[in-house]
Amino acid sequence: EVQLVESGGGLVQPGTSLRLSCVASGFRFDDYGMHWVRQAPGKGLEWVSGIRWDSGSSGYADSVKGRFTISRDNAKNSLYLQMNSLRAEDTALYYCAKAEDSHYSYYYMDVWGKGTTVTVSS
Amino acid sequence: IVLTQSPGTLSVSPGERATLSCRASQRVSSAYLAWYQQKPGQTPRLLIFGASSRATGIPDRFSGSGSGTDFTLTISRLEPEDFAVYHCQHYGSSPTFGQGTRVEIK
Repeated sequence: EVQLVESGGGLVQPGTSLRLSCVASGFRFDDYGMHWVRQAPGKGLEWVSGIRWDSGSSGYADSVKGRFTISRDNAKNSLYLQMNSLRAEDTALYYCAKAEDSHYSYYYMDVWGKGTTVTVSS
Repeated sequence: IVLTQSPGTLSVSPGERATLSCRASQRVSSAYLAWYQQKPGQTPRLLIFGASSRATGIPDRFSGSGSGTDFTLTISRLEPEDFAVYHCQHYGSSPTFGQGTRVEIK
């Protein structure tokens, strides 16, 4: 079964850091691009970041550029999101999603995890 | 590219037809337009990609159409399990989503 399991969320204060993880199973992880997508409470989906199968390219939404860093470890079938300088507006459910092909851009997201919740509050 | 979905909420009776709109702020290739369904408390599920191709296992009552800046998701006969939020997405160089349309029981 194809599966993505996120972890690492929690309650943190503004200005602090958090690292999210996503472990993949049921497919050849190093063949596919991957994404992070978030959903604030009661809001729509917002793409956060994407990374190519070999980490050769990545992209970020303007709202997180310079603060968040996406990475992957293909040997561990894992995707990461390092989030620094967190703000209240980063509060959301963060999903890990698989791209349909090796790049993250120009391919739809065909598998999603259940998400991990990040709450930024003092 | 900004995607605007309308209406925000659509009230429909079971068995009726639902038509959801997704408008892009500039012309986009239909090859890169997708629709996702999200039920309460659940993760998004891919319905349509390439504007009109159904994903694996999606019933044929779901259909997508459109080009340029205007795209449509049509559910021909609403089943009880179809009441959900629907998101359109442009999966270009920087993917973007619309704000979603909630389909509720009338």
